[in-house]
Amino acid sequence: KQEVTQIPAALSVPEGENLVLNCSFTDSAIYNLQWFRQDPGKGLTSLLLIQSSQREQTSGRLNASLDKSSGRSTLYIAASQPGDSATYLCAVFSNRDDKIIFGKGTRLHILP
Amino acid sequence: KAGVTQTPRYLIKTRGQQVTLSCSPISGHRSVSWYQQTPGQGLQFLFEYFSETQRNKGNFPGRFSGRQFSNSRSEMNVSTLELGDSALYLCASSLVHIAGGPYEQYFGPGTRLTVT
Repeated sequence: KQEVTQIPAALSVPEGENLVLNCSFTDSAIYNLQWFRQDPGKGLTSLLLIQSSQREQTSGRLNASLDKSSGRSTLYIAASQPGDSATYLCAVFSNRDDKIIFGKGTRLHILP
Repeated sequence: KAGVTQTPRYLIKTRGQQVTLSCSPISGHRSVSWYQQTPGQGLQFLFEYFSETQRNKGNFPGRFSGRQFSNSRSEMNVSTLELGDSALYLCASSLVHIAGGPYEQYFGPGTRLTVT
């Protein structure tokens, strides 16, 4: 059964720092992996989608990597800003389970 | 282009009642998925509809059901509500069936259901 873990559960960093969020999954049989952002009480906003054949995707200050063989993905945020404060979730589409499985997220707080 | 809309945004129900939530996908999107989000369990997949057919289902009891109409709008129904059903219910739409990707899911703002 596919499980997705995100560590740490919460993170506080000063504004301007670069940071890395981690996501691990137990079964490498995935179709793709997606990173989302969720603001309090709101829905999810898609940040980056990485197909299983890809190694990384970039959008602005965000870079996501995927190492399927080791079951890991990272989301790199450059030059963090207070507006980046949110919960970041990763989700994998599991080929075996034929459904999307989410991690519980990392709550990020950027200190002004 | 309008995003995914969900109605109502907030709902308070009593144990034992039933509730229907609605989701309108982005125009042209034929796949609609539903998720339950709670602080303890996080985001859990409920089911997915594609072209009016339930394509996949998560591990939820039969009290949770859904349907999709010909215009791709979807409804989710929960019967005999329990306190544990209090959650944020999110729907997401995508252009193609999620197993037929590449896909990208676009989420609505959610419906906050409180069961008392």
